[in-house]
Amino acid sequence: KAGVTQTPRYLIKTRGQQVTLSCSPISGHRSVSWYQQTPGQGLQFLFEYFSETQRNKGNFPGRFSGRQFSNSRSEMNVSTLELGDSALYLCASSPRTGLYEQYFGPGTRLTVT
Amino acid sequence: DAKTTQPNSMESNEEEPVHLPCNHSTISGTDYIHWYRQLPSQGPEYVIHGLTSNVNNRMASLAIAEDRKSSTLILHRATLRDAAVYYCILSGETSGSRLTFGEGTQLTVNP
Repeated sequence: KAGVTQTPRYLIKTRGQQVTLSCSPISGHRSVSWYQQTPGQGLQFLFEYFSETQRNKGNFPGRFSGRQFSNSRSEMNVSTLELGDSALYLCASSPRTGLYEQYFGPGTRLTVT
Repeated sequence: DAKTTQPNSMESNEEEPVHLPCNHSTISGTDYIHWYRQLPSQGPEYVIHGLTSNVNNRMASLAIAEDRKSSTLILHRATLRDAAVYYCILSGETSGSRLTFGEGTQLTVNP
């Protein structure tokens, strides 16, 4: 079974721009969660989507948003990029929402200049 | 979410067992104990999880104290590939799929 895939793997954007990251979960998995990893803050939960509905949200500003499609693929969008948004963005999939093991993708490395 | 406490770093020799401790004195009765690890330049990887009883899988064993205030991840024979940051995470009914990562334990495996 193919693992979680994320595209693109690397991205460079300018402050003020917006960016969209994509995540394809493991086949059959319906829950997708997003995390941000930075050296200063570590791994932080952004949000979770299950059956195209946001089920859980972390403490991030409204500039961070996401969505999930009927095939369970998910996208996250960051608008009006700031230098502090430079991070590794990780996507994780799980068969269902709740207390199940999660499978992480390799991440998208976003650099904001 | 209940908090976990782990040592910042630990060292082990290849082919020896490794015991990674985690304290979680404020754990609630319905909190599961999860362990993930993150190898360099990779996303986190699920290792094991449990509620009350000790658990074993092909990667590791999880020993849970009787009062559930602490747990230990056991790698039976460390390899160089096991060098990673190990995270002990509590997850309950209210947190759902949300995992709250702490700083974890950086495990170094010496050849």
